[in-house]
Amino acid sequence: EIVLTQSPGTLSLSPGERATLSCRASLSIGSYLAWYQQKPGQAPRLLISDASNRATGIPARFSGSGSGTDFSLTISSLEPEDFGFYYCQQRSNWPPSITFGQGTRLEIK
Amino acid sequence: QVHLVESGGGVVQPGRSLRLSCATSGFTFSNYGMYWVRQFPGKGLEWVALLWFDGSKTYYADSVRGRFTISRDNSKSTLYLQMNSLRAEDTAVYFCARDLEAYRSSWYLDSWGQGTLVTISS
Repeated sequence: EIVLTQSPGTLSLSPGERATLSCRASLSIGSYLAWYQQKPGQAPRLLISDASNRATGIPARFSGSGSGTDFSLTISSLEPEDFGFYYCQQRSNWPPSITFGQGTRLEIK
Repeated sequence: QVHLVESGGGVVQPGRSLRLSCATSGFTFSNYGMYWVRQFPGKGLEWVALLWFDGSKTYYADSVRGRFTISRDNSKSTLYLQMNSLRAEDTAVYFCARDLEAYRSSWYLDSWGQGTLVTISS
């Protein structure tokens, strides 16, 4: 089973700053990676699919990059509503399955 | 507007059964693969099951295979999760979610319900 490891566990930044979140896969997964944002009491929201494709309605300040085993989510200039938890997710062809990273908490400094 | 609403959660004893429902609206339900994902009290997310848009294929996480069954009623635009032989470690918020793409399974989840809490306790 492929394991996704996210870092850092917690990221403390101020509005306007740039945030970079990392996700590392234990084996190469090509570009089969997504990023989700979750706020307290809410469901996750899809931000990025296939490593770099922004989902519908997601602001341009969110961008994803990477392939193989190392991936990043960058928020170019933090807005107050961007604080919360972020999860990466990969898909495996065999056995068909999904796994999530353990999450990064993005908090207001 | 896409809308998914889970129901059926609650407190049940170990070994018992529970059936979750996910009522959907705002899209053509029969065109999309559907998922169940759970979130443990410590906030970790775990994929549970996938049912293809046409009902032809189902996939399960190892942790639930043989105990849980995912199904759908396209006439009611509703997804189900039958959970048998429940264990304490099944305690979680259960979300239903829709696949990003119609007519295939991209394995990305673009619309989610608000979740229903399942607690397994004696």
